[in-house]
Amino acid sequence: QVQLQESGPGLVKPSQTLSLTCTVSGGSINSGSHYWTWIRQPAGKGLEWIGRIYTSGSANYNPSLKSRVTISVDTSKNQFSLKLSSVNAADTAVYYCARDSSIFGVVIPTYYWGQGTLVTVSS
Amino acid sequence: DIQMTQSPSSLSASVGDRVTITCRASQSINSYLNWYQHKPGKAPKLLIYDASNLETGVPSRFSGSGSGTDFTFTITSLQPEDIATYFCQQYDDLPITFGQGTRLEIK
Repeated sequence: QVQLQESGPGLVKPSQTLSLTCTVSGGSINSGSHYWTWIRQPAGKGLEWIGRIYTSGSANYNPSLKSRVTISVDTSKNQFSLKLSSVNAADTAVYYCARDSSIFGVVIPTYYWGQGTLVTVSS
Repeated sequence: DIQMTQSPSSLSASVGDRVTITCRASQSINSYLNWYQHKPGKAPKLLIYDASNLETGVPSRFSGSGSGTDFTFTITSLQPEDIATYFCQQYDDLPITFGQGTRLEIK
């Protein structure tokens, strides 16, 4: 059973770079072909898809964040990461990592989720 | 982006009640819609995929229907353990987008 766990600083100063890591357990990040995804949810608001990286290394980002986001994979640590630059208070949110899975040939883009980690942007 | 309008935003119902939540897409998403249950501090759990398919192990009181732009999620007989936030997700096109969520409470 795949499990995902987000980690990283809970407090980031405005204008700095938010960096989070998602550690994958229950399987190798290199095993099979998968999308590794980041999603966030500001308090009181809906979920926002940030972007994803495929096993091959190709990435897709939400156009609203594309200029500030980088998602990467570290196979040696069985982790993938999110970097969001030039943060401000609007980036305060619970951040989730997720992975796809296939059900009877249907690819569910965010089947496995982490529990989420709160990141607050404040000086 | 495809906008997902979910309603209601909150709902209070009694044990045994039938509960219905709707999601409307701003354009056709075929059947590329999932429904999730989210309890505080836990990972969201997939309940319904492809609009109407019940994920393995999910109780049959949960169901989904619809295609194109209008979708419905139903709990036929609300149980105390169903207290959670429910949200829809479209994956017909990038960026993947979500409904605002429905917070379900017991009366």
